[in-house]
Amino acid sequence: DVKVTQSSRYLVKRTGEKVFLECVQDMDHENMFWYRQDPGLGLRLIYFSYDVKMKEKGDIPEGYSVSREKKERFSLILESASTNQTSMYLCASQGAGIYEQYFGPGTRLTVT
Amino acid sequence: DAKTTQPPSMDCAEGRAANLPCNHSTISGNEYVYWYRQIHSQGPQYIIHGLKNNETNEMASLIITEDRKSSTLILPHATLRDTAVYYCIVRVSNSGGYQKVTFGTGTKLQVIP
Repeated sequence: DVKVTQSSRYLVKRTGEKVFLECVQDMDHENMFWYRQDPGLGLRLIYFSYDVKMKEKGDIPEGYSVSREKKERFSLILESASTNQTSMYLCASQGAGIYEQYFGPGTRLTVT
Repeated sequence: DAKTTQPPSMDCAEGRAANLPCNHSTISGNEYVYWYRQIHSQGPQYIIHGLKNNETNEMASLIITEDRKSSTLILPHATLRDTAVYYCIVRVSNSGGYQKVTFGTGTKLQVIP
């Protein structure tokens, strides 16, 4: 079974803090994704990566950056957290030629 | 990207078939229709996908109209554990071979005992 794990289920940070959300997958998938999910807005793509050190902006990249130094790990970085970044963050991975994305359990981030 | 339209919510009696519609009238010829679901407090889970033929797996059936402008996900015998938000998605594929997937707001299915 594919496993996608995220470093925390719940996280509380203060405004202005630098926040790292980590995601690890164990299936040697090429593609990894970060989404945020807010009530009434569904899932929105923040960034995705199709290879080590490669990344592309999704639909809402502002205020975020990402890092992919190793194939299995994809990090989402909030350089200076703000209250409007309070959300559920979901990581996903997908193998080349495989149709489905596999999601992690999510991290609920609260910025106060 | 082709957009999808789904009803915001539906109810279904336990044991009955749940039929979840999706409209994707701007779909392109090489775009697939995918369905995922998200049970409360979990990440989304892949259910099924198709291009133009009807598809069936152990979880569900997917019926795509001949003009491909709409589709229906069928859960043949809904159980309480099928209560979830169901997302209909049209896949975008770019030249790099990787797939950006855009999720909408989905349909919240409530299975009633």
